[in-house]
Parts: sequence; C-alpha cells; structure tokens
Amino acid sequence: DTAVSQTPKYLVTQMGNDKSIKCEQNLGHDTMYWYKQDSKKFLKIMFSYNNKELIINETVPNRFSPKSPDKAHLNLHINSLELGDSAVYFCASSPGLADYYEQYFGPGTRLTVT
Amino acid sequence: ELKVEQNPLFLSMQEGKNYTIYCNYSTTSDRLYWYRQDPGKSLESLFVLLSNGAVKQEGRLMASLDTKARLSTLHITAAVHDLSATYFCAVNSGGGADGLTFGKGTHLIIQP
Repeated sequence: DTAVSQTPKYLVTQMGNDKSIKCEQNLGHDTMYWYKQDSKKFLKIMFSYNNKELIINETVPNRFSPKSPDKAHLNLHINSLELGDSAVYFCASSPGLADYYEQYFGPGTRLTVT
Repeated sequence: ELKVEQNPLFLSMQEGKNYTIYCNYSTTSDRLYWYRQDPGKSLESLFVLLSNGAVKQEGRLMASLDTKARLSTLHITAAVHDLSATYFCAVNSGGGADGLTFGKGTHLIIQP
C-alpha cells in the first residue's frame, strides 16, 4: 500500500488552463503539505494543512488554491496556469504539527505548462 | 528568514573513497533531516536528527548534528555506485506548521 499517493503523475497542459492535483495519505496523519521543486531541484514549501485547516501559505500566488476535504486528502487546484508553474509538485504528510515529526513524501506530479 | 546551505552542490567521487557533505543553517534549531532523491523519484527519508550531538548511521552513511555550530554532516564511507543520488538536508525551525526548509541539494555521482 502506498503511504502518500498523488494523481496524476504527469500533467501536460497549456497556458491559461485550470488543473488539479490530488493527494491522499493512508497513514492516519493529521498534517499535510504541498512543496514545489523547480527545474534546479530547489524544494520550497507552499502550503501546510492540519486537520483540514490551512496553517501556512508561503507567498504563493492566489491562482493556487489548496483544498482539504478530509484529513487524508489535500488537493491543489491551479487556475490560469503560467509557464513558470512548470515544476514537480510533492505532497507530504506527518503525524502532527510538532517539529520532530518526519515528513513522508508522495511520488510527485510533474507539471509541464506549454 | 531561515537559510540552509549545502556544500558541495556537486560531487563526483570514485568508489571506495570517503567524503562528507556539509549542511549549515542560519537559525537555532535542533531538528534536521536528510533525504535522498533519485532522478525522477520522490524524496526518501534517510535520517532524522533531533538533538545536539545526535549521530545516526545506516550502512555506509552517517549523519551528525551540531546545533551550536548550526551544522550537520553526512559522511559517506567507502562509496559504492548505488549511493549516486541527490542528497538534501532540511531544517524544521518553526514547528511542523512551517514545513521544511531545504538546502539546494548535493548531486553525488560515484564512479567505478
């Protein structure tokens, strides 16, 4: 059983489109995250959620809107896609908000905007 | 703003050799994580270091944390080709809610 799963694995779309990426974890964790890895492999936190509530939004454009229907799911919707949105998006989860918890990462979604 | 710096960013070494990757960070924290990423793959957790002086070893890899120096090291002993990957250190300084702040990664190539 995959602990943290994401769909789709690859997403190719044109500028201006709207797309969603889904994330599910079966670890029973309370906290979930979205990270963006750019073409230079730099990883940056985008959002964190705890018990379905948004905790942080790290200077991410309003075009990105996360949604957590329940603790096991954290989806990412992106409006009006731009070329600069091309990246690999990783979902992660951890048992809770304490900083000693390890984060478990999903397989990533490679988004290509043309 | 928390900064995490790794060096070197690129390392090519021969099998059988030893080497160390360094990770410096700019704020007080005693929570440091090492991850491995293979090309096109996800991040695999290697070590979780949760206190000053923590040392953990797994196979040919050993990680340590000096919170006073704000420095962690990842030491590779007698490198083998299978260890070729990108290694990231990450710091959690503001509680889990802030997420991890990652270094830029060390791209390690181990040649026969």
